[in-house]
Amino acid sequence: DGGITQSPKYLFRKEGQNVTLSCEQNLNHDAMYWYRQDPGQGLRLIYYSQIVNDFQKGDIAEGYSVSREKKESFPLTVTSAQKNPTAFYLCASTPFWDQETQYFGPGTRLLVL
Amino acid sequence: LAKTTQPISMDSYEGQEVNITCSHNNIATNDYITWYQQFPSQGPRFIIQGYKTKVTNEVASLFIPADRKSSTLSLPRVSLSDTAVYYCLVGDRGSARQLTFGSGTQLTVLP
Repeated sequence: DGGITQSPKYLFRKEGQNVTLSCEQNLNHDAMYWYRQDPGQGLRLIYYSQIVNDFQKGDIAEGYSVSREKKESFPLTVTSAQKNPTAFYLCASTPFWDQETQYFGPGTRLLVL
Repeated sequence: LAKTTQPISMDSYEGQEVNITCSHNNIATNDYITWYQQFPSQGPRFIIQGYKTKVTNEVASLFIPADRKSSTLSLPRVSLSDTAVYYCLVGDRGSARQLTFGSGTQLTVLP
């Protein structure tokens, strides 16, 4: 089955702790994206990557970091510098030639203890 | 980036046709219009995409006037399961760009 997976479904973070959210796709898509969604709000772009070993900051990159060592994987680290990390995090992927048609994962809900 | 404006919310009854309009006055020549549906605690799902005139698929139709400054998503005979948030996006499909989803339109289908 082709698709995009995210894990874990729920994640709890303690104060001062870094946590990493996983995103994997087997769609052979070139581009991958991370979004943050707060309750009742739209999606805000954190980072995106169009090619392996390259990524660009989105609108709200502060307090987050990413890597793109493999085409299939685009993990997001929420660092201790992100003071308000509680949100729903969504990963998406697209072919390079159609970045409007995004395929989303099921999301990870991050909560702060 | 083309800015989009949608109604915050809409109510409808089961079996009715629902039309959600999105305004995008500064749409560029290379921009396409894409609509997504999102249920609570799930990722958005692609519904339909178009460039001009009318596009239809098995779940919806998309109407785009000649000036392309707006678009209308049409959902025929909605059911309770169509209750969701609907997002309109406008942009160049092949460019290295940031996508702005906005707050979308909350559609509530009533029995």
